Amino acid sequence: DAGITQSPRHKVTETGTPVTLRCHQTENHRYMYWYRQDPGHGLRLIHYSYGVKDTDKGEVSDGYSVSRSKTEDFLLTLESATSSQTSVYFCAISWDSYEQYFGPGTRLTVT
Amino acid sequence: ILNVEQSPQSLHVQEGDSTNFTCSFPSSNFYALHWYRWETAKSPEALFVMTLNGDEKKKGRISATLNTKEGYSYLYIKGSQPEDSATYLCADNTNAGKSTFGDGTTLTVKP
Repeated sequence: DAGITQSPRHKVTETGTPVTLRCHQTENHRYMYWYRQDPGHGLRLIHYSYGVKDTDKGEVSDGYSVSRSKTEDFLLTLESATSSQTSVYFCAISWDSYEQYFGPGTRLTVT
Repeated sequence: ILNVEQSPQSLHVQEGDSTNFTCSFPSSNFYALHWYRWETAKSPEALFVMTLNGDEKKKGRISATLNTKEGYSYLYIKGSQPEDSATYLCADNTNAGKSTFGDGTTLTVKP
């Protein structure tokens, strides 16, 4: 298994509070991704990174920001959480933009 | 085709049946197509990465074909087993590392 962890694994937070999810890898992979998974949908890309301090938006980036200050960590921040951001969040890594290895997921509930 | 589309959305088969499903993707600027297998309560796992028109990949009873000119890929499962029950995702990759996933086909194999 690729060395990829996510923290926290579960979180309940209130509407309007900021939340940061962390993805950590030990594989030195260049690419890192944040997805959300909702019923009826597959995986929708929020943001991704193609190197330290190099990030780009995905299809559902509104309300989210990311940072990657070192290769191994990719942080996803919900600036002011809303109920529509209740979801399961998956981080993924990739060496060469080919196949991706996924973390275990973080279940976020915004009340 | 502007997005990645998968059909059918769900499929129920009996053990021993062979089955197949479709992934359609934009045929212009094709770079790579991935198939992933996603079991309930787990993370997606890569099955195949396909890059060349006419590619055929096989892993055990599962195989996939690719037609980049018309923008589709088929995934075949021969002699389905209950352990094949999962959601099968396809993803279209750009050369910049960005992936667009379909909503998946959920396969249920009844003993």
